[in-house]
Amino acid sequence: GESVGLHLPTLSVQEGDNSIINCAYSNSASDYFIWYKQESGKGPQFIIDIRSNMDKRQGQRVTVLLNKTVKHLSLQIAATQPGDSAVYFCAEREATGKLIFGQGTTLQVKP
Amino acid sequence: EPEVTQTPSHQVTQMGQEVILRCVPISNHLYFYWYRQILGQKVEFLVSFYNNEISEKSEIFDDQFSVERPDGSNFTLKIRSTKLEDSAMYFCASSPGQSREQYFGPGTRLTVT
Repeated sequence: GESVGLHLPTLSVQEGDNSIINCAYSNSASDYFIWYKQESGKGPQFIIDIRSNMDKRQGQRVTVLLNKTVKHLSLQIAATQPGDSAVYFCAEREATGKLIFGQGTTLQVKP
Repeated sequence: EPEVTQTPSHQVTQMGQEVILRCVPISNHLYFYWYRQILGQKVEFLVSFYNNEISEKSEIFDDQFSVERPDGSNFTLKIRSTKLEDSAMYFCASSPGQSREQYFGPGTRLTVT
């Protein structure tokens, strides 16, 4: 069956360090893989996506890496800030638009 | 910046009662979605809606659930007879296209007692 998941439930980093959040997926048919950030009491917020035919995409302070060989997705956040503290979800978007979310990883940024 | 809005922010209801959760998607968006998130769990897809009809629905979206776009701005989710296990955060999302980014609202917390 389809499954998207994250490796670690909680990641604690020092402010200014780089963060890496990982995700494993099993459905290879999705068009896009996406990272969402969810702050307490809010809905998921789009961070960055990557098309299935790419292996790397960079945004502002964030980079997403896709390794289709091992079905692995990661989100790298450079110079992590206190405002980055949130739950991060990976998700895959099927051609129909449906999003399949993985379990979240809580990122804690220590000052 | 346009955003998706949802009302109410918190709804408490008794088991067996009907609830209607309301959403106002971003005005020029064409695709609408409902998702739910049980406390501490991942976000789960419920239903997608386009051109005034359901495009896709999950196993969760049984006969007790329905969606409607009663006018040009609102998008509603109705649960006819709520169960305890319906307690969750319900998120509405909209997007300009099927393969485009989905924008989520702040959610409605539904508590069934």
